[in-house]
Amino acid sequence: AQSVTQPDIHITVSEGASLELRCNYSYGATPYLFWYVQSPGQGLQLLLKYFSGDTLVQGIKGFEAEFKRSQSSFNLRKPSVHWSDAAEYFCAVGDYKLSFGAGTTVTVRA
Amino acid sequence: DSGVTQTPKHLITATGQRVTLRCSPRSGDLSVYWYQQSLDQGLQFLIQYYNGEERAKGNILERFSAQQFPDLHSELNLSSLELGDSALYFCASSVARTSGGRTDTQYFGPGTRLTVL
Repeated sequence: AQSVTQPDIHITVSEGASLELRCNYSYGATPYLFWYVQSPGQGLQLLLKYFSGDTLVQGIKGFEAEFKRSQSSFNLRKPSVHWSDAAEYFCAVGDYKLSFGAGTTVTVRA
Repeated sequence: DSGVTQTPKHLITATGQRVTLRCSPRSGDLSVYWYQQSLDQGLQFLIQYYNGEERAKGNILERFSAQQFPDLHSELNLSSLELGDSALYFCASSVARTSGGRTDTQYFGPGTRLTVL
């Protein structure tokens, strides 16, 4: 069975500071991994994805994620957070059926 | 803007009623997926259609059904509504017919917020 765990329910970070969101997955084969962001009242926007190849993946809005098979992780990072990054972030794994983590809410303080 | 449209944006109805949610996929996408986002269950996959045919089912209740029409738009029908059906319903679309071992990027619409009173 496939599943995703996002250990952090809520993270608060200062504007300009770095951000790292954790994601651990369980999947039977080569995982297809995604990070989505949901702003209040909005839909899910794809930040980045990993299908194969380079384990460091670049996405939109300055985000990147690193796939580590040995740790079953796909952590999301951003070097310098902007106030507009305040949102809920979801990690997902799967092929046709995506399994999502519970999400991490990011608050950015001035 | 992902290119996936969903209507209506909000829907308020009473228990026991039936509603229909509509989704138009991105131009060129043949697969449509439905997801439910609720506070207690999180985001859950409901069902997938590819080019008019049902391809996969997830945690979809028997009271719920979906279809995809020849013009590729999809409708999710929810009947005998209960309070617990209150949730945000997302539609997503992708180009390919994904299946075990293959995947494609799913682009999500803005969602329909259903409130059952």
